[in-house]
Amino acid sequence: EAGVVQSPRYKIIEKKQPVAFWCNPISGHNTLYWYLQNLGQGPELLIRYENEEAVDDSQLPKDRFSAERLKGVDSTLKIQPAELGDSAVYLCASSSITGELFFGEGSRLTVL
Amino acid sequence: KNEVEQSPQNLTAQEGEFITINCSYSVGISALHWLQQHPGGGIVSLFMLSSGKKKHGRLIATINIQEKHSSLHITASHPRDSAVYICAVVTNYGGSQGNLIFGKGTKLSVKP
Repeated sequence: EAGVVQSPRYKIIEKKQPVAFWCNPISGHNTLYWYLQNLGQGPELLIRYENEEAVDDSQLPKDRFSAERLKGVDSTLKIQPAELGDSAVYLCASSSITGELFFGEGSRLTVL
Repeated sequence: KNEVEQSPQNLTAQEGEFITINCSYSVGISALHWLQQHPGGGIVSLFMLSSGKKKHGRLIATINIQEKHSSLHITASHPRDSAVYICAVVTNYGGSQGNLIFGKGTKLSVKP
C-alpha cells in the first residue's frame, strides 16, 4: 500500500508568487496534518483535519496560507503570496484511528 | 519552557555503543511517538507508546507516565543509526486534544 504521498517534492519560486502543495494520505486515515519544518527544527503544526473538518488551524497564518480537504481524503495547502521566510519543508502526515502516524516525504519550498 | 524537552541535543557515539535519548514533557498526553529523520529524508515513526515498554530489533522505547518521561535506547549502535530522533506527544486536553507537540530532536552521529 502506498504511504502518504506529497507533491511536488521541490519547488522554487520568486517571492510574491503563489504555490500549492498536495497531499494524499493513507487510505482510511481520517486525520491529516500539515506541518512546517525549518532546517534543524522540529515540525510545527499548521493545520489538522479530522475528515473534512479543520479541527485546529490556530497556527495557520491565514493572511497568506489556506488549506482544504474537501472530500475528507486528499488535501491542498496554498501560500499566496509567498514570502522569503516561507522557505521550509512542508510535511503532510496522516494517522489511523489507532493513532499510528505516517509522514510524507515533504515538499521543500525555496522562495527567492 | 518548551512543552516537550529532549536531551541531549547532539550525540556522537562510536559504533557498538549503547545510546539513550531522553524526552520529558509537561502536558497531558494520550500517547508519545518516537520518530526518526535521516538527513534530507522523510520522518518515520519508530514507536507509539502510551505505557510501559516496546522493543523492535535494536531499539527499545520506555515511558513513565507518572514522571512524564520517555527514553529511546539503541543497543549495538551502527553508523546507519545516524539520524535525528524526535519525540512527539499527542495531547489529551482542551481544544488542542489530539494535536502533536514535537521536541526539537536529538541529532545522533555514530562513527565507525
